[in-house]
Amino acid sequence: QKEVEQNSGPLSVPEGAIASLNCTYSDRGSQSFFWYRQYSGKSPELIMSIYSNGDKEDGRFTAQLNKASQYVSLLIRDSQPSDSATYLCAEEGAGNMLTFGGGTRLMVKP
Amino acid sequence: GAGVSQSPRYKVAKRGQDVALRCDPISGHVSLFWYQQALGQGPEFLTYFQNEAQLDKSGLPSDRFFAERPEGSVSTLKIQRTQQEDSAVYLCASSAGQGVMQYFGPGTRLTVT
Repeated sequence: QKEVEQNSGPLSVPEGAIASLNCTYSDRGSQSFFWYRQYSGKSPELIMSIYSNGDKEDGRFTAQLNKASQYVSLLIRDSQPSDSATYLCAEEGAGNMLTFGGGTRLMVKP
Repeated sequence: GAGVSQSPRYKVAKRGQDVALRCDPISGHVSLFWYQQALGQGPEFLTYFQNEAQLDKSGLPSDRFFAERPEGSVSTLKIQRTQQEDSAVYLCASSAGQGVMQYFGPGTRLTVT
C-alpha cells in the first residue's frame, strides 16, 4: 500500500516569509512527484512537478526531491495571503494514477 | 478547448437512488481518471481509462460503482443504490498520456441524504 504523508497543519506564516511544506512517501520506486494547490471548495490546481533529485524553481516556488530519504518539499518565497490554501503532495504510480497525501493547510497572515 | 468540465456541479440524492456523474476531458487527452475526495482529505484514486479502455478500477469502493468511457472522450461515473458514505466530491482529471501531468475538473459534490 503506497502512502504519502503530510502534516495537516495549519502552517501559519507571516506575509513575506518563506513557507516550507513537507511530504514523505513510502514507495522507493516512485519517480514522479507533484504539488497541487487547492483553495476551499475548489479543485486541485497543479503548481509544480519534479522528477529528479535536487531543486526545481518556478517563480516564487521551489520543489525539492530527495529520493534517498523519500522526501519531497515545496518552498514558497515571499508568501502572500493569496497563497493561503491546502497544498497536496502526490506521487505517480504505475499507470499514471496519483496517490495523494492528506494535504497541508497553509495560512499566510497579513 | 478549455479545461476539464464536470456536471452536475452539485447533486443531492436520497439514499438508495442511482446517480450519474459526467466528465468532459481536455480535447485530445487520452488518459482520464476519477478520484473521490472526502472532506478534509486528499483525493483518492477510483479508476483510470486510456482512450476507451478501463485499465485500472482497483480504487472503486464497491460493485455499486461503475465507470465507462465508450468513445474514448466523455466519461460517466455511475453509483447505484447510493449510501451516505458515498457523500464526497468526485473529481475527474485528464492527461495527454502516461507520465504527463494531470489536470482536474471542478468536481461534483455529491450529498446523499
